[in-house]
Amino acid sequence: EAQVTQNPRYLITVTGKKLTVTCSQNMNHEYMSWYRQDPGLGLRQIYYSMNVEVTDKGDVPEGYKVSRKEKRNFPLILESPSPNQTSLYFCASSWAGFSDEQFFGPGTRLTVL
Amino acid sequence: GESVGLHLPTLSVQEGDNSIINCAYSNSASDYFIWYKQESGKGPQFIIDIRSNMDKRQGQRVTVLLNKTVKHLSLQIAATQPGDSAVYFCAEGDSGGGADGLTFGKGTHLIIQP
Repeated sequence: EAQVTQNPRYLITVTGKKLTVTCSQNMNHEYMSWYRQDPGLGLRQIYYSMNVEVTDKGDVPEGYKVSRKEKRNFPLILESPSPNQTSLYFCASSWAGFSDEQFFGPGTRLTVL
Repeated sequence: GESVGLHLPTLSVQEGDNSIINCAYSNSASDYFIWYKQESGKGPQFIIDIRSNMDKRQGQRVTVLLNKTVKHLSLQIAATQPGDSAVYFCAEGDSGGGADGLTFGKGTHLIIQP
């Protein structure tokens, strides 16, 4: 089944404790992206990647890192999480970019205490 | 910065009726528009998209209309069903711009009344 998977689905952590949210897609897509979703603000892009070893900042990259060492994986790293990073995070992928149908993962609910 | 917005946060319609969800955008350089559906507890799901060289596009029970003159986008859902209950997002993008991403609206919650 073609899909985007994220792990973990739920995470509660404390300020400053490094964490990684994994994202994997099995559709051989070139483009991958991370979004956060907050009430009243909609979806906002954090980082995206057009291909392996190519990553770029989105609208809200502060406090996040990403890597794209393999085509299928695009982990989101929070080196020192803070409470304002409490949010619902979505990973997405598509064949060729944002102007192509993006497939979203199920989301990761992160709470930073 | 420029943003995409929606006219109504909640829309309630009777099952079987048609629904129309509206969206206003402000970036005149945007040339790609898309509608997503998000059910409770799930990620957004692609519904339909349209490029600026078109003013109408139809899918299965859905139609997207684009009016570039007034920067307005709408999603029409025909013969609504209970499974259509969800939050619907519009988004815009400029494929010729420097940023490679979409700007999303905040969403409209569509409620289908039995």
